[in-house]
Formats: sequence, structure tokens, C-alpha cells
Amino acid sequence: DTGVSQDPRHKITKRGQNVTFRCDPISEHNRLYWYRQTLGQGPEFLTYFQNEAQLEKSRLLSDRFSAERPKGSFSTLEIQRTEQGDSAMYLCASSLTSGGSPPENEQFFGPGTRLTVL
Amino acid sequence: QKEVEQNSGPLSVPEGAIASLNCTYSDRVSQSFFWYRQYSGKSPELIMSIYSNGDKEDGRFTAQLNKASQYVSLLIRDSQPSDSATYLCAVNMGGAQKLVFGQGTRLTINP
Repeated sequence: DTGVSQDPRHKITKRGQNVTFRCDPISEHNRLYWYRQTLGQGPEFLTYFQNEAQLEKSRLLSDRFSAERPKGSFSTLEIQRTEQGDSAMYLCASSLTSGGSPPENEQFFGPGTRLTVL
Repeated sequence: QKEVEQNSGPLSVPEGAIASLNCTYSDRVSQSFFWYRQYSGKSPELIMSIYSNGDKEDGRFTAQLNKASQYVSLLIRDSQPSDSATYLCAVNMGGAQKLVFGQGTRLTINP
């Protein structure tokens, strides 16, 4: 069982640059979620996929953010024209299915990508 | 009112005692409730899930759910220094698939 993996683990970039993060979910999981966490706060939902379909996007997700899951396996999150306010931990999680009860809807998190925008 | 509320702490408990962590939520339609543990600089780790009223036990951990009071709690028995972490309460608000998190309670177990 390899768990959720994310790459890179750390990213430092200059304001205005584009960055892309990758997430590989647990292999049999068809739901994939992206969250963002800043210091002292709980994670905030950004978007989620069921297979390759993006089913919900948060209002937090400005038009500079885009996420894809082209073949229903790994996902990418791109941030264009980064701003200092984008500095955060970006977390990916996956769950087994769309079932409404645990354990099917339990979400397991990857190690996260820590983004610092200078 | 925040959708999911937790006391941010810090909560300090002596080693071997019971640590009690509390969480309230705003949406009565919520169906599933989760407790995550997060060590400093690490990602959240799922420790308990619960969706029926009452208690659910797993080792030293007990989750308690009271939907009428919109309240969920986590008890940690025989607290160990390794339990020192931030504990996040998360809820599937309105039955949606996304999780809404509280801000977390920082727990310190004193040897």
C-alpha cells in the first residue's frame, strides 16, 4: 500500500511565476481532492474529482488556479502568476468511492507540497 | 458562526490522563465526522471516523457523536507524549463529499 504521494514536497518561487504540483492517489481510489492549509488553520477545500470529472470547485479557487485529472489517475494543480498570498501547504487526498458513509468516504492525505512565494 | 468550531487550545494534559477534544458543527444535515491528527510540519493523518450517534472505540481513542446537539468529541485514554499534536475535526457538511475542517486543537501531553 503506497498511500497518496505528492511532488514536489517543497517549492520556492518568485511572485508572478507559474507552478504545477502533482498528486498520485491511492490506486483503487476514484475520488481525489485538493485542499490548501495556512499556518494555524485547518485545511480549506479547493476542488475534487471523481475519476476524470471535476465535480466541484471552491470559490477560493480563483481563475489563476486550474486542476486536471486527465486519465482519472494522477492529478495536477497549476497556479499561474503566483502571489505571496498563495504561500501555503497544498494537500491532496483521495477516497475510495462516492459512498456516503465511512469507511468508503474516508479521505487519506498525501504529505503535501509546501509553496513559498517570494 | 463558523461551520466547524474547535477550541484552538493549547490543551495541556498530564501523561496517563484522558484528553478530551470537542467540536461543534453548524449543519444538521451533516452525516460523516472525522478526527485527524497533525504533527507540526506534517499532513493530517486520519485516526477516527464516525457517522452514527453514540460512541466508537478504537484502541485508546473513542469518538462520540451527538447529532441532536451537533457535537462530536474525541477522547484519548492513557495519553502519551507522542499524542502531542494538533487534532482536526472534519465534517461532510450537508452530506457533500468535501470536508470542512475546524481550525484544530493543539494538544500537549506533559510527561
